Amino acid sequence: SQTIHQWPATLVQPVGSPLSLECTVEGTSNPNLYWYRQAAGRGLQLLFYSVGIGQISSEVPQNLSASRPQDRQFILSSKKLLLSDSGFYLCAWSLTGIRLFGQGTRLTVV
Amino acid sequence: QKEVEQDPGPLSVPEGAIVSLNCTYSNSAFQYFMWYRQYSRKGPELLMYTYSSGNKEDGRFTAQVDKSSKYISLFIRDSQPSDSATYLCAMSAMNTGFQKLVFGTGTRLLVSP
Repeated sequence: SQTIHQWPATLVQPVGSPLSLECTVEGTSNPNLYWYRQAAGRGLQLLFYSVGIGQISSEVPQNLSASRPQDRQFILSSKKLLLSDSGFYLCAWSLTGIRLFGQGTRLTVV
Repeated sequence: QKEVEQDPGPLSVPEGAIVSLNCTYSNSAFQYFMWYRQYSRKGPELLMYTYSSGNKEDGRFTAQVDKSSKYISLFIRDSQPSDSATYLCAMSAMNTGFQKLVFGTGTRLLVSP
């Protein structure tokens, strides 16, 4: 069966520091991969999606970037974190119209 | 007007009650309809999905899609305190390659013992 791993679960980072969140999917090949952000009390905002290695589409221009170095690995990065980057970050994957999510990373920028 | 509307709640019910959660939508191209359950500080968990229209049942959960009314529902029978969570509806359309998944804002459900 397919599983999605996302780490770390929680992260506290100072303003201006870099960020790297990693997500891997097991049990499938060539999945579509996604990064979402969920702010407190708000809906899910799609940040990036990827349909293949090295193929990244950005939905919202901001202080973040994404990369897909391997088929089942998706990385969310920032060179310099802002206070406004705090939130709950979710990785997801799909093969059809169904999307399955990881357990999320709660990022607090201080 | 938002593409997907969902009452944020909270919806408070006693244990054992039948719960009805609903979403309305405006885009007639939506074909996949999903319900997610999200516990506090956890990722959304896919509960049920329906392709096109009709009903689908899984244990205590029933999902209904009425495309003519642009209305979807999730029913929970014999609700339990462990069902207390936020329930998100989500939809996608083939004309976006199913890449664009539109979420409701979520309904917070509280089931009291």
